[in-house]
Amino acid sequence: EAGVTQFPSHSVIEKGQTVTLRCDPISGHDNLYWYRRVMGKEIKFLLHFVKESKQDESGMPNNRFLAERTGGTYSTLKVQPAELEDSGVYFCASSQQLRNEKLFFGSGTQLSVL
Amino acid sequence: LAKTTQPISMDSYEGQEVNITCSHNNIATNDYITWYQQFPSQGPRFIIQGYKTKVTNEVASLFIPADRKSSTLSLPRVSLSDTAVYYCLVGSPDSSASKIIFGSGTRLSIRP
Repeated sequence: EAGVTQFPSHSVIEKGQTVTLRCDPISGHDNLYWYRRVMGKEIKFLLHFVKESKQDESGMPNNRFLAERTGGTYSTLKVQPAELEDSGVYFCASSQQLRNEKLFFGSGTQLSVL
Repeated sequence: LAKTTQPISMDSYEGQEVNITCSHNNIATNDYITWYQQFPSQGPRFIIQGYKTKVTNEVASLFIPADRKSSTLSLPRVSLSDTAVYYCLVGSPDSSASKIIFGSGTRLSIRP
């Protein structure tokens, strides 16, 4: 069974540009989560989808971040325009029916904004 | 919000048993305790989850005292490959995902 897949693994962009991160959860997992860790800080929750609906987006830092999960399958996280402080590792995770049970994480996308 | 406290780092040697304790004094009745392991350049990986007493799987054991205000992750006979960051999380299926906090974790270093 394939795990959670994230693309790209690394992205280097300039301040003001746009970047879109993609996450493919494990097939059949209704719950999809985005987290991030900025340099030297803890892993922080960004948002949670149940199928295509945003269940909790309280962790999204500002309106430069837009997450979508059309059709309830893969998800994208767009940062527009990117700022220096957006640099960090963005993790995606998925789980089955119950929230907050065992989460399966992807390897993350390392985003560097120069 | 159930906050957890763990040691920042721990060192041990190959073949030893390692116990990492996590404090969660304000754990709620419905909360479970979950531990994750994270290697460099990878996402966290689920290790074990429990509610009370003792849980054991092929990777680790989790000991939870009756008051549930702490828990101990036990790794038997560690090897170099167990060097990683270990996170203790507390939350329930009814909690919003945003309420489950990763914290700083414990950086475990295993030496030959």
